[in-house]
Amino acid sequence: QVQLVESGGGLVKPGGSLRLSCAASGFTFSDYYMSWIRQAPGKGLEWVSYISSSGSTIYYADSVKGRFTISRDNAKNSLYLQMNSLRAEDTAVYYCARIALGVDYWGQGTLVTVSS
Amino acid sequence: DIQMTQSPSTLSASVGDRVTITCRASQSISSWLAWYQQKPGKAPKLLIYKASSLESGVPSRFSGSGSGTEFTLTISSLQPDDFATYYCQQYNSYTFGPGTKVDIK
Repeated sequence: QVQLVESGGGLVKPGGSLRLSCAASGFTFSDYYMSWIRQAPGKGLEWVSYISSSGSTIYYADSVKGRFTISRDNAKNSLYLQMNSLRAEDTAVYYCARIALGVDYWGQGTLVTVSS
Repeated sequence: DIQMTQSPSTLSASVGDRVTITCRASQSISSWLAWYQQKPGKAPKLLIYKASSLESGVPSRFSGSGSGTEFTLTISSLQPDDFATYYCQQYNSYTFGPGTKVDIK
């Protein structure tokens, strides 16, 4: 069965960096676009970034452009999100998700807290 | 960027009620719209894709309709498991709507 398992979340100070990872299994990872979606505490869903199956097409939300970098390693069935210059407003649960016709599989999420 | 709105923001209903949620896009997105259900502390679940196609395993009481800029999600007979927050999402630039919370009347 399809599984997406995020790791790397935690507490970081404003201006700091964090790298999230997502281990995928149960499907042919290299066939799918993948994404990171976040949800601040008590708030709605916000699309952060997506990456095409080959990695050649990448999109970022304006709120993270220039600070976050998405990447993937198809040989390792893994998705990554490098987050730099973190701000308090980046505090959220970050979900790794598979894109098909809609987002059809989601990880359990990893909490990132940006606070001094 | 395409903006998404949903109405109502909160909906109080009873088991057995027919429930309709509306989602509007700031410009035409053809049928490139999905609907999700989210319960507290859980990841969202895909219900509907391409505006009206039911995701595998989703009960048939859920249906979606619309195209262009106006879309609806209908639950034909609300069940206890359906009390949750519902989000629409356009997959042109992937923006989500703000959500509609369905709670118990």
